[in-house]
Amino acid sequence: GAGVSQSPSNKVTEKGKDVELRCDPISGHTALYWYRQSLGQGLEFLIYFQGNSAPDKSGLPSDRFSAERTGGSVSTLTIQRTQQEDSAVYLCASSLGTDQFFGPGTRLTVL
Amino acid sequence: GESVGLHLPTLSVQEGDNSIINCAYSNSASDYFIWYKQESGKGPQFIIDIRSNMDKRQGQRVTVLLNKTVKHLSLQIAATQPGDSAVYFCAETNSGTYKYIFGTGTRLKVLA
Repeated sequence: GAGVSQSPSNKVTEKGKDVELRCDPISGHTALYWYRQSLGQGLEFLIYFQGNSAPDKSGLPSDRFSAERTGGSVSTLTIQRTQQEDSAVYLCASSLGTDQFFGPGTRLTVL
Repeated sequence: GESVGLHLPTLSVQEGDNSIINCAYSNSASDYFIWYKQESGKGPQFIIDIRSNMDKRQGQRVTVLLNKTVKHLSLQIAATQPGDSAVYFCAETNSGTYKYIFGTGTRLKVLA
């Protein structure tokens, strides 16, 4: 499809395990965002990639969170030693200008 | 999929009535505003946008009003339909930056 895709759609893990969430942006979009959406909360900015520039990681909540974007396309968000408070929907968006196009999200549940 | 925002403020409207959803934005330097619709289990979907040099913008069945004096944004949906049931939230940004500030959202329920 032509939209942003994310995988997996749902992930259930045990506290302390590591997880990897994947985002495939729209082809040609140079900007990629990761957000976290918790129940009753707005979207929380995590990290921003733009072309070959250094990413803005200012929204990552702790050093357990990291993200990569390989070849200016696919991105992976990694959460190490997951905690119950990491449970949320993780959304990815890509953009060529001001408009962001969102993927369907990955629902992460940490037991 | 399971919904996000189960504890959000909820607006219930009768099918066919008009809906008005409000948003207070925070940054007086913001010059670009977007309304998103998020259905259960899906990512946010762009509905309509407005720039700060406008007070009003109309789309198909939707109108966005911007009041910069009080930093208020509203989304009006005409002749609300069952398919409009979703969580709606606003976003603001300064077009010179890439960061967006998102509101917490309002759940719209359309009653048959």
